[in-house]
Amino acid sequence: RKEVEQDPGPFNVPEGATVAFNCTYSNSASQSFFWYRQDCRKEPKLLMSVYSSGNEDGRFTAQLNRASQYISLLIRDSKLSDSATYLCVVNRGTGGFKTIFGAGTRLFVKA
Amino acid sequence: EAGVVQSPRYKIIEKKQPVAFWCNPISGHNTLYWYRQNLGQGPELLIRYENEEAVDDSQLPKDRFSAERLKGVDSTLKIQPAELGDSAVYLCASSLRLAGRETQYFGPGTRLLVL
Repeated sequence: RKEVEQDPGPFNVPEGATVAFNCTYSNSASQSFFWYRQDCRKEPKLLMSVYSSGNEDGRFTAQLNRASQYISLLIRDSKLSDSATYLCVVNRGTGGFKTIFGAGTRLFVKA
Repeated sequence: EAGVVQSPRYKIIEKKQPVAFWCNPISGHNTLYWYRQNLGQGPELLIRYENEEAVDDSQLPKDRFSAERLKGVDSTLKIQPAELGDSAVYLCASSLRLAGRETQYFGPGTRLLVL
């Protein structure tokens, strides 16, 4: 089992739809969490950090559930430009600092 | 502000040949990472530097891969000899710790094809 797991998708949604992705992590010592976005043949770029209290940035909302060891990303009012791969990233400090990337969830937003 | 710079952007070599990648991190970022990303997968860490010290190279295939970060700024990653399975995108990232959080910024990557 991978330390960070995501549904690979693809998620195919129409413009304006709301879509949610989950990511589970297995190491309870994980300390910080992020969502990155990666466009085709481009490098990953930070979308948002995920805070324990949950956080929102425009149409994007990220939440963390430490008890169940998952994080989520909600995208409201999807745009064509949201089409990308969304990577879940977990940092853990014990056993040596590690950054672990999920394999990503692909999103296609259609007109 | 300039981002992470990598070169070359693309490299095609024959198996058993050597290859080297170069990375210049964002100014002021002490931590530098090299990742390998295969198609359909997330980036996998190869090595992490804090200044000039390699603090995590546990996933670097040391029989053929080597890296250095002289003077704690630029870094090079070398493969010798390259194998077919080394075909991937090699990403360099640098990070800065602020308020207890470390955000990584990636370069555009070097796309390697081994024939």
